[in-house]
Amino acid sequence: AQSVAQPEDQVNVAEGNPLTVKCTYSVSGNPYLFWYVQYPNRGLQFLLKYITGDNLVKGSYGFEAEFNKSQTSFHLKKPSALVSDSALYFCAVRDENAGNMLTFGGGTRLMVKP
Amino acid sequence: KAGVTQTPRYLIKTRGQQVTLSCSPISGHRSVSWYQQTPGQGLQFLFEYFSETQRNKGNFPGRFSGRQFSNSRSEMNVSTLELGDSALYLCASRPPGVGSHEQYFGPGTRLTVT
Repeated sequence: AQSVAQPEDQVNVAEGNPLTVKCTYSVSGNPYLFWYVQYPNRGLQFLLKYITGDNLVKGSYGFEAEFNKSQTSFHLKKPSALVSDSALYFCAVRDENAGNMLTFGGGTRLMVKP
Repeated sequence: KAGVTQTPRYLIKTRGQQVTLSCSPISGHRSVSWYQQTPGQGLQFLFEYFSETQRNKGNFPGRFSGRQFSNSRSEMNVSTLELGDSALYLCASRPPGVGSHEQYFGPGTRLTVT
C-alpha cells in the first residue's frame, strides 16, 4: 500500500523568505512523486514531478523539490516566496506497480504574508 | 491546447437521487482518472479508464461507477445519493507515452447532496 504524509496543516512565511512544504511517503516499489497546487474553487495544478535521475527537480513558478530516498521525503521548496503563492499544496505518490492511481497527502495550506 | 473540462461545474441533488458527471480530457490523452475531494477524507482515487476499459478502482461502494467512450470522454455516475457524497469530483487526464506520468486535472464538479 502507498501513503503520503504532509505533517504541517499550515505553513506561514513572509514574502521574500524561502519556503519549505514537507512531504514523506511510503511505497513498496519505486516512487513516482508529484506536487500539485490548488487555488480556491479550482482543480489541481501540476507543479513538478520526480520519476528518476537528479534528486533536485525544478518545476513551475520557481518551485523545486528535493527527493531523499533514505528519508523517504520529497519536500517542496522555493527560494523567495510571493504573496500569490498562497494556496493549498498537495504531495502525491504513485507506486510504479500500482497503475495510474495517485495517493495524496492531506494538503498543506501555505500563507505568504506581505 | 484546451485543458480538462468537466460539466456541470456545480450540482445540487437530493438524497436518493442519482447523478452523472462528465469529463473531457485534453486532446490526445486517453487515460482518465476520477478523484473525490472532501474536507474530511481529502483526495481519494475513484477509478481510472484507458481505452474504454476500467484499469483500476478505488475503495468506493458499487454506487459509484464510470465509463469511458471511444473519444476518451468519461462519465461517472453515483446512484442512490447520500449526504456524504457531497464533494468536489475531479477528473484528470494523462498524456500518452511511457515517459508521461503526471496527470492534469479539470476544475471539478462540486456536488451538494441535500
